[in-house]
Amino acid sequence: TQLLEQSPQFLSIQEGENLTVYCNSSSVFSSLQWYRQEPGEGPVLLVTVVTGGEVKKLKRLTFQFGDARKDSSLHITAAQPGDTGLYLCAGDGGSWGKLQFGAGTQVVVTP
Amino acid sequence: NAGVTQTPKFQVLKTGQSMTLQCAQDMNHEYMSWYRQDPGMGLRLIHYSVGAGITDQGEVPNGYNVSRSTTEDFPLRLLSAAPSQTSVYFCASQKDGSYEQYFGPGTRLTVT
Repeated sequence: TQLLEQSPQFLSIQEGENLTVYCNSSSVFSSLQWYRQEPGEGPVLLVTVVTGGEVKKLKRLTFQFGDARKDSSLHITAAQPGDTGLYLCAGDGGSWGKLQFGAGTQVVVTP
Repeated sequence: NAGVTQTPKFQVLKTGQSMTLQCAQDMNHEYMSWYRQDPGMGLRLIHYSVGAGITDQGEVPNGYNVSRSTTEDFPLRLLSAAPSQTSVYFCASQKDGSYEQYFGPGTRLTVT
């Protein structure tokens, strides 16, 4: 089993602050995905990173895939209350339909 | 398109009862998966399917059965419910060649 560890488990910040969530593993992944999940709903894909060292930006969210494809980070600039949610990273070991998920980081942004 | 649908939304079972969680997708995706989500543990893969007639076990398959007779449907069966199966269950589908999994809204199951 390829374990994905996310940190921190919980993050509470004020609107306008920046935050970073980390996703680490000792295993190499073909791709790594970030999902956001809101209460009572299923996870929704934010981004997929495939190439080592890749950086992707989605408005105020910046995603980075480590050079060795074992770790990733999600950085949110000037967080807003709408960014509140559970952020999950998921690794694809190369088998379609099978994802290994981290435990998630609960982010709360207060006005 | 409805995407991925799951029924029921909520279910309470007594220990030893059996039931089937329904999952359907209308996107003609080849791959479908079942996950359970427990506090502090993220989503864990129960069973998955790469096409009609083909299923395989995931990380936590014990106590669950699946079948895939059509591309659209992927039901999950609990044969004899146990309190340890209290969880939120998510079904997901994925198109061959795409990285993205589309998740249903989930079924919250409580076993007493």
